[in-house]
Amino acid sequence: KAGVTQTPRYLIKTRGQQVTLSCSPISGHRSVSWYQQTPGQGLQFLFEYFSETQRNKGNFPGRFSGRQFSNSRSEMNVSTLELGDSALYLCASSPSRGLAGYETQYFGPGTRLLVL
Amino acid sequence: DQQVKQNSPSLSVQEGRISILNCDYTNSMFDYFLWYKKYPAEGPTFLISISSIKDKNEDGRFTVFLNKSAKHLSLHIVPSQPGDSAVYFCASRQTGGGADGLTFGKGTHLIIQP
Repeated sequence: KAGVTQTPRYLIKTRGQQVTLSCSPISGHRSVSWYQQTPGQGLQFLFEYFSETQRNKGNFPGRFSGRQFSNSRSEMNVSTLELGDSALYLCASSPSRGLAGYETQYFGPGTRLLVL
Repeated sequence: DQQVKQNSPSLSVQEGRISILNCDYTNSMFDYFLWYKKYPAEGPTFLISISSIKDKNEDGRFTVFLNKSAKHLSLHIVPSQPGDSAVYFCASRQTGGGADGLTFGKGTHLIIQP
């Protein structure tokens, strides 16, 4: 079974631009979560989608948004990019509503975003 | 306020010996705990998990111990192998409706020396 895939793997943007990252979960998985990893803050939860609805959101500004499609694929968008948005963005999937039960989240390889 | 703490940024262990990685948490509502291993430029790879109804879970060379009263968990790797060199993250969450995502520690860089 193929794992979680994320595109693109690397991205360079300038301040003020916006960016869209894509995530395809493991086949059959319906829950997708997004995380940001930075050297200073570590891995932090952004949001979770299940059945095309955002179920939970971490402590990030409204510039960070996402959506999920009927095939469970998910995208996250960051508008008005700031230098501090440079990070590794990770997507994780789980079979159902992983955050509501004892389910494991499986991570993709991440998208490395550099904001100049 | 860090709810999950891994107080050792790095740990060096000889090949063949036991590696013990520690993690402390402060949120008593956390009831599911996971360990992930991460190589540079890759996503975290799931290793092992434990729910709060257990105090030990074993999978091959990996064993996780949970001490709820101390809010402490540890990951034991026996025997340690060169391929185990990586950053290990402890993660926790509260199951049930309305739970946030996984809360991660800052990681411990495990170095296995030949």
